[in-house]
Amino acid sequence: KAGVTQTPRYLIKTRGQQVTLSCSPISGHRSVSWYQQTPGQGLQFLFEYFSETQRNKGNFPGRFSGRQFSNSRSEMNVSTLELGDSALYLCASSPGHPDSTDNEQFFGPGTRLTVL
Amino acid sequence: KNEVEQSPQNLTAQEGEFITINCSYSVGISALHWLQQHPGGGIVSLFMLSSGKKKHGRLIATINIQEKHSSLHITASHPRDSAVYICAVRGNQFYFGTGTSLTVIP
Repeated sequence: KAGVTQTPRYLIKTRGQQVTLSCSPISGHRSVSWYQQTPGQGLQFLFEYFSETQRNKGNFPGRFSGRQFSNSRSEMNVSTLELGDSALYLCASSPGHPDSTDNEQFFGPGTRLTVL
Repeated sequence: KNEVEQSPQNLTAQEGEFITINCSYSVGISALHWLQQHPGGGIVSLFMLSSGKKKHGRLIATINIQEKHSSLHITASHPRDSAVYICAVRGNQFYFGTGTSLTVIP
């Protein structure tokens, strides 16, 4: 099976622009989670989707949004970009329900976003 | 406030040594994950635990739900084990430790 894919892998934007990142989960996986990783803050949870519904959301401003499609593919959007949004954005998929205690996550390679 | 605390932050070991990384958390959880991240960013899930102990090859993970503590052990460490190890817990959302940077010297 192909792994989790994320596009694009690298992206450079300027302040004030918006960006959309895409994640294709492993075939058959229905849960998708998004994370932000920065040198200063480490890994932080953005949101989690299951069957097109947002299940949980981390402590990020409303500029960060996401959605999941019927084929389980997911996108996240960041509007009005700030310098501090420069980070590695990681997507992970898992096969089962988010509340399952046996729902291993499989991570994609990430999208490295640079905001100038 | 850090919901997940890991120790040590950095660890250097000689090849063959037994290594322990510790994780303590302060929130109620349904599961705890141990992740491995190599330079370049790729993250691999090593273990997902909700109770007891799991073993994969030279890696062992344990969790004590009452004490809110987990340990990751690496037996017979090897230079290819050099990576950052991250503890993550699933409460009402995911919380992450700051990671333990492990270097294994030949």
